[in-house]
Amino acid sequence: GQQVMQIPQYQHVQEGEDFTTYCNSSTTLSNIQWYKQRPGGHPVFLIQLVKSGEVKKQKRLTFQFGEAKKNSSLHITATQTTDVGTYFCAGRTAGGGNKLTFGTGTQLKVEL
Amino acid sequence: EPEVTQTPSHQVTQMGQEVILRCVPISNHLYFYWYRQILGQKVEFLVSFYNNEISEKSEIFDDQFSVERPDGSNFTLKIRSTKLEDSAMYFCASSGFENTEAFFGQGTRLTVV
Repeated sequence: GQQVMQIPQYQHVQEGEDFTTYCNSSTTLSNIQWYKQRPGGHPVFLIQLVKSGEVKKQKRLTFQFGEAKKNSSLHITATQTTDVGTYFCAGRTAGGGNKLTFGTGTQLKVEL
Repeated sequence: EPEVTQTPSHQVTQMGQEVILRCVPISNHLYFYWYRQILGQKVEFLVSFYNNEISEKSEIFDDQFSVERPDGSNFTLKIRSTKLEDSAMYFCASSGFENTEAFFGQGTRLTVV
């Protein structure tokens, strides 16, 4: 079945440093979404990417969808303590219906 | 802001007992989902529901699981005979259109003892 892996599994950074998480799917995706889950919380939608090579920005966050639509990345510039949480990518495959297959997640900790 | 609500927030049950987890999706949404997350692990798809029927289900969603939309607002997940390995956070989600963002509820933490 489809697998979606993320690296790294954990990342500790000092506040102000940059952070990147990478997402790789075993199959081609029709679209990919990113979610953030705070400790003890629920996944909260951040963004959806649909087109090959697409790049979207939200303030300090930059999201990219690979040309082959099998990988994606999330980059945070100048992390803040409010960025703490686990970041999940979640993909849909063509013909795979509406279900989201979540990645393994990257847990981000930001220290002052 | 509209939100998905789930009850209860925490349920403790004895192994072999039946549990029903309840969800009220966002009112004008058409697609409904159940996901689960074992502590510290990734979010796993269980089932999707559209037009009053299951549209997809995962291998996890075996005969012990069922879903229902008994009225115009509630969406329930029933586990017929709980096992220890069913202990997890169960998230309900809904979306308004196909292939759009999913809005997740706060979750129900199920503990099977």
